Amino acid sequence: GAGVSQSPSNKVTEKGKDVELRCDPISGHTALYWYRQSLGQGLEFLIYFQGNSAPDKSGLPSDRFSAERTGGSVSTLTIQRTQQEDSAVYLCASSLPPDRGGQETQYFGPGTRLLVL
Amino acid sequence: GQNIDQPTEMTATEGAIVQINCTYQTSGFNGLFWYQQHAGEAPTFLSYNVLDGLEEKGRFSSFLSRSKGYSYLLLKELQMKDSASYLCAVRDVSGGSYIPTFGRGTSLIVHP
Repeated sequence: GAGVSQSPSNKVTEKGKDVELRCDPISGHTALYWYRQSLGQGLEFLIYFQGNSAPDKSGLPSDRFSAERTGGSVSTLTIQRTQQEDSAVYLCASSLPPDRGGQETQYFGPGTRLLVL
Repeated sequence: GQNIDQPTEMTATEGAIVQINCTYQTSGFNGLFWYQQHAGEAPTFLSYNVLDGLEEKGRFSSFLSRSKGYSYLLLKELQMKDSASYLCAVRDVSGGSYIPTFGRGTSLIVHP
């Protein structure tokens, strides 16, 4: 597709269940980012993938959160044993490699709205 | 961290001009971005500044002063559709990461 896509667009789950969120980046974008946005808050960085390098997991809030990126394209963010405080919008973005010191604009997907009951 | 600070909310009148400020603290500045985010939608790119000065793009302009750790986004001839959240993001490479850090955003309300 022309832009970043994410699925599902909305997810309601019960506390303690696991969820998987999917991101399809723009073709040719080797950099992929996951962010979390809670109501009235800024974007909180979670994890970053760049090509075949080891991912930067410095933003993951706990070991219940993990992500993988298969074949350098599609990424899945998994939240295990969900808690109510995990409720937020999870945004994925992709870009050209950001280490060239240039603009390397991030293009965001529409997000997945997660509600943990 | 980058300590990015923006006003939480601003209001303005249709047709007017509004300036949204962003201040930051970094030790390895490598670019500042402005994004627009309408309610319930994804952020979309507006502007990028890495050198001091003003970048103009139609009704929107962005200014940067690296020595002051300061940027602003200027919106002219405001339209109702400009009501949105405006996010300032700063890239600090002092720690070896090129990942931009976002501020909390400024919610702009444009009224008739």
